[in-house]
This record gives sequence, C-alpha cells and structure tokens, in this order.
Amino acid sequence: QKEVEQNSGPLSVPEGAIASLNCTYSDRGSQSFFWYRQYSGKSPELIMSIYSNGDKEDGRFTAQLNKASQYVSLLIRDSQPSDSATYLCAVIPLNGNKLVFGAGTILRVKS
Amino acid sequence: EAGVAQSPRYKIIEKRQSVAFWCNPISGHATLYWYQQILGQGPKLLIQFQNNGVVDDSQLPKDRFSAERLKGVDSTLKIQPAKLEDSAVYLCASSLVVRGFYGYTFGSGTRLTVV
Repeated sequence: QKEVEQNSGPLSVPEGAIASLNCTYSDRGSQSFFWYRQYSGKSPELIMSIYSNGDKEDGRFTAQLNKASQYVSLLIRDSQPSDSATYLCAVIPLNGNKLVFGAGTILRVKS
Repeated sequence: EAGVAQSPRYKIIEKRQSVAFWCNPISGHATLYWYQQILGQGPKLLIQFQNNGVVDDSQLPKDRFSAERLKGVDSTLKIQPAKLEDSAVYLCASSLVVRGFYGYTFGSGTRLTVV
C-alpha cells in the first residue's frame, strides 16, 4: 500500500465549475497535510495546509480533512483555466518532519 | 527573503558519467531535503539533513548516490555512475518548523537527462 494515494486523472472540469481532488493516506498517526500545485516544468507550490479535522477555506480553495477515514480533499471553486496543473497531496507522517507525496492528480480546466 | 537556490537548471550526461547538483537553502533553515521526481510521479525523498547530519537516507541508492551538507548550509548531491533511470528532476527543499507549522520551500530543481 502506498503511503499517499491519489487518482492520477486527468480530471477535466469546465471553467466555473467546482473541481474536487481526493487523497488517502496510510499512516494513521499523520498530523499535517498539504496540497501543492505544480505547473509543468515548475517546482511544487504550497496552496493549502490543514492540521485538524474539518474544512479550511482560503479564497477559492477549501481543504477538507477526515482523520478517521484517513482522507484529505481539495475543492477548487469557480475553476479557471489557470488552475490547470498537477495537484500533489503531501503528508507528514508521525515518525518525522519529511513530506511524503502522492503521485499527483492532473487537473484540466476547459474554457 | 531569498528562496532556495539550485544549480544547474539542466544537465544532459551519458550513462556511466558522473554529475553533481548544488543547493543553497533559505538562511536559517536547519533542515534540507533532496527529492527525486520522475516524470509523471510525485517527488520522492532521497535524503534529509538536519544541520549537517543525515536524518533519513533510507531511499538513497547508496551504491551510486551520495550527498553532503557542508557546515550545515549548502548541500551537494552526486550521482556516479549515472543510469538511464536516473533521468528526473532533482528538487532541493528546506524547512523551518515553527510551533508545529512546517515552512517548506522548494528550489526550482535540476532537470537531469541521462542518454
């Protein structure tokens, strides 16, 4: 079982729609969860972090965490073509302060 | 605040040659990481330094990869000899943990092509 799993996509949504990205993790003791955006040829860029169960909103982005289900999601409202990128879910496991990444989900927003 | 600096940006080498990458982290960041990102995959941690000591190198192919962090600041990652499957982007990151918040910053990466 991979430590962090994501659907590779691509996920295609029309402009203005809500994009929903999902991630599961295997280490039940994990405490810190992150979403990174990576444009082609660029390095990952942090867009959201979440540490406790529930929702965290920042502009058009909402991160959701359910530790009981070991599930993290990212919602992007009013999706724009500029949101087209790979979204990486990352977790800091209980046994260290290193980021463990999923394989990423490719998002395509069509205008 | 200056970001994480990496060089070179691109490198093309033949298999069995050697190559080295350099990273200068953000000033004051005690922890430095080297990640390998193969096309279509997420970044995979190769090695983690705390100051100039190795914290985790469990996924570093030690028969061909080596890394050091000089005086707890700059770091170099070396591959000798390179294989075709080493073609990837090598990302350096540094972090500062403040009251449970992990301030990770990535450099621009070095894209390595082994032919």
